[in-house]
Amino acid sequence: QSALTQPASVSGSPGQSITISCTGTSSDVGSYDLVSWYQQLPGKAPKLMIYEVNKWPSGVSNRFSGSKSGNTASLTISGLQAEDEADYYCCSYAGSSTFMVFGGGTKLTVL
Amino acid sequence: EVQLVESGGGLVQPGGSLRLSCAASGFTFSSYSINWVRQAPGKGPEWVSYITSTSGTIYYADSVKGRFTTSRDNAKNSVYLQMNSLRAEDTAVYYCARGSRGGYYFDNWGQGTLVTVSS
Repeated sequence: QSALTQPASVSGSPGQSITISCTGTSSDVGSYDLVSWYQQLPGKAPKLMIYEVNKWPSGVSNRFSGSKSGNTASLTISGLQAEDEADYYCCSYAGSSTFMVFGGGTKLTVL
Repeated sequence: EVQLVESGGGLVQPGGSLRLSCAASGFTFSSYSINWVRQAPGKGPEWVSYITSTSGTIYYADSVKGRFTTSRDNAKNSVYLQMNSLRAEDTAVYYCARGSRGGYYFDNWGQGTLVTVSS
């Protein structure tokens, strides 16, 4: 069982917006603004999409945005495109003893 | 272009050992921390280990502590993961991932190397 909880799947039509939640605890998500999100296409390595809750790495579309409230972080994808269909994982710093924890992943289907 | 290339994966019997390597290029290797992250088939990623740029601090997940050892050679732009006492549950694709400047996210990943622990 993963340390962070994500919905197993979400879906949306092209052009719509979807939000993926990531629920942790006061020991990880709730204590640090150090949540990151990764996109993984089939057979590929994860790719950084959002870091430090709501920051974009160079080259990532601003259709992807992040937020956090309490122990729950969220990834929102606006203007859904077929190429967004992938697995998405959240990750959080959890202190020096545990260090980093991941969510179990959410499969995004673009209808 | 940042590149991380893992090697050394393969099939090993339970209780056996394996050494993974991660060769880096395209950036000042000695300035960055490196992590090992694994992903079992059909599962989410699991952070395994972290090593700072100078090897001054090394962390391990509880699931591998005492069995895995991470090291690096900045002269060779490489990081290593020595895996001993391997178990079936260690079966996964192992990625090396560059740590951010602050260390708290993974900004570049290798393509991964598959480790299968089975008799």
